[in-house]
Amino acid sequence: LAKTTQPISMDSYEGQEVNITCSHNNIATNDYITWYQQFPSQGPRFIIQGYKTKVTNEVASLFIPADRKSSTLSLPRVSLSDTAVYYCLVRRRDDKIIFGKGTRLHILP
Amino acid sequence: GAVVSQHPSWVICKSGTSVKIECRSLDFQATTMFWYRQFPKQSLMLMATSNEGSKATYEQGVEKDKFLINHASLTLSTLTVTSAHPEDSSFYICSASLAGGQTGELFFGEGSRLTVL
Repeated sequence: LAKTTQPISMDSYEGQEVNITCSHNNIATNDYITWYQQFPSQGPRFIIQGYKTKVTNEVASLFIPADRKSSTLSLPRVSLSDTAVYYCLVRRRDDKIIFGKGTRLHILP
Repeated sequence: GAVVSQHPSWVICKSGTSVKIECRSLDFQATTMFWYRQFPKQSLMLMATSNEGSKATYEQGVEKDKFLINHASLTLSTLTVTSAHPEDSSFYICSASLAGGQTGELFFGEGSRLTVL
C-alpha cells in the first residue's frame, strides 16, 4: 500500500481557491488516487478519484502529474462549510484503505 | 450514489456488556466491508476486513474475540464489541465496496459513537 504525505493543516479564507497536495512516491501502476472529506462525527465522504492527468467534478478538481508521485486536490471558492479533514488515499481496486493523518482545512470568514 | 447505513448512530452501555453495530448497504451489494475506529482528533484506523460468507481478516493488534464481525449477506455486516470497557469508547465506521465496481470506490456509513460507562 502506497504511503501518502500531506500537510497536517491549512487555513484559507472564504471565496479562495484551496489546493491540497499529497505525495505518494511509491505509487504502483494499478493504484488509483482518491480523496475523501470528513466532517466531525461523520463518516468520510468521497470527493474525487483519478488515475492520471486531470479529473473534474461538480465539487473539485484533481491534478495528477505524469509521474503520478503526487496529486493536488483543488477546491474552487471555498466556503465555511468546507472546513473539514481531507484524506488522500492511494490503493488498488480491491485493496483495503489505510488512512493517513489527513489535512485539517480551516476556512476563515 | 450508493448508500451505507449504520445503526445505531450512538449507543451508551455499561462496562461489561456487549454492543452490536449494524452496517447495511442500502442500494447495492457489497462483497467486502471494512470496519474502522476513530478516536477524537485522530485518523481512521482499520480494524478488519469482512467478506461475505467467510471469516473476517483482522488487522494486527485488533482482538478478534473482542470485536466479533459477521458478514452474513451481501448487504449486512455486524460488529459486536464484547464485554465493552471504557477504553472501547470510540467512533466506529464501516465502509462497503461495490461488488464488481470498476474502480473499487468505497462508500462509508455515518458512523456509530460508542460510549462505555
